[in-house]
Amino acid sequence: DGGITQSPKYLFRKEGQNVTLSCEQNLNHDAMYWYRQDPGQGLRLIYYSQIVNDFQKGDIAEGYSVSREKKESFPLTVTSAQKNPTAFYLCASSINAGETQYFGPGTRLLVL
Amino acid sequence: KNEVEQSPQNLTAQEGEFITINCSYSVGISALHWLQQHPGGGIVSLFMLSSGKKKHGRLIATINIQEKHSSLHITASHPRDSAVYICAVWSPGNQFYFGTGTSLTVIP
Repeated sequence: DGGITQSPKYLFRKEGQNVTLSCEQNLNHDAMYWYRQDPGQGLRLIYYSQIVNDFQKGDIAEGYSVSREKKESFPLTVTSAQKNPTAFYLCASSINAGETQYFGPGTRLLVL
Repeated sequence: KNEVEQSPQNLTAQEGEFITINCSYSVGISALHWLQQHPGGGIVSLFMLSSGKKKHGRLIATINIQEKHSSLHITASHPRDSAVYICAVWSPGNQFYFGTGTSLTVIP
């Protein structure tokens, strides 16, 4: 089955701790994206990658970092510099940038 | 002012009604997307269009490039259509701009 997966479903972070959210796709898509969604708010783009070893900042990249070492994987690290990390994080992929996106199920991050 | 504006923000309809959700945008466009977000948070892409009209089952999406406006129509609405519908624009500058969504509730 082709698809996009995210793990974990729920993640708890202590103050000052870095955490990494996983995103994997087996759709052979070149483009991958990370979004943040706050309650009652719209989607906001954190980072996106059009191709392996390349990524671009979105609207709210501060306090986040990404890597794209493999086509299938686009992990997001929420660093301690992100002062308000509690949110719903969604990963997506598309054949090329701007094309129809396929979304993962999301990860809910909570700060303890 | 948001680059992508949706209306209405909230919509309640009786089962069987014809529904229209509107999206206006102020940026240049390569493509416009309509997304559906279910109560559990999962998102599904419904349409990608850059001109004209597309139809899939009971859903119809139209776009008017000159007026910078798109509509999503749902015919014969059903309670399972209850979700948040999101309009997004992919610009020539390789940026995604998202509307804040329209929350639809269809009552049996």
